[in-house]
Amino acid sequence: DSGVTQTPKHLITATGQRVTLRCSPRSGDLSVYWYQQSLDQGLQFLIQYYNGEERAKGNILERFSAQQFPDLHSELNLSSLELGDSALYFCASSGQGYTDTQYFGPGTRLTVL
Amino acid sequence: AQKITQTQPGMFVQEKEAVTLDCTYDTSDPSYGLFWYKQPSSGEMIFLIYQGSYDQQNATEGRYSLNFQKARKSANLVISASQLGDSAMYFCAMREGDTGGFKTIFGAGTRLFVKA
Repeated sequence: DSGVTQTPKHLITATGQRVTLRCSPRSGDLSVYWYQQSLDQGLQFLIQYYNGEERAKGNILERFSAQQFPDLHSELNLSSLELGDSALYFCASSGQGYTDTQYFGPGTRLTVL
Repeated sequence: AQKITQTQPGMFVQEKEAVTLDCTYDTSDPSYGLFWYKQPSSGEMIFLIYQGSYDQQNATEGRYSLNFQKARKSANLVISASQLGDSAMYFCAMREGDTGGFKTIFGAGTRLFVKA
């Protein structure tokens, strides 16, 4: 158990819908990262938050947004869902430095039908 | 730009033997960290080992060691005494020391099969 929690574990929805994925970081970690893992794109970095502020952005679509709340949990919002958004979405957390290990949550498997 | 390359899509190893999984990287930042993760069929991402760009010695964690050759920009993972439970996908990752944020990139992964 990494100490990072993600809910829900599985999510099935239809095209055009909007979903919210939730992540709670390890105790003491201020950084939260979101990743998308799909069969054709591999593991893609989406976005990083540090203590409530956006710090780094990767290949995140405009239809996707994220935020980190004062209690440090984070949410990833996916809207206008398409079939290609079906993937495993990971949240990870770490300490402050670039040398700090990112610990991953169990992931949320999103299926868009 | 950051880049991570894992050239071995799949590898086979006999149980109890050692195996090396290759990883090369490209960065212009002198400060960076290299990580290896294991992803078993259950899907979770498990941290294995870390190497910092300024570390003088190769990192070791139990049966895992990282063969860090900075001049060649390679960070190969060595698993000694392979076990059946080592069968999984292995990812190499890099994070640069950019104070603006810590974007991490992952390689495409190597699937390791351990034979009994």
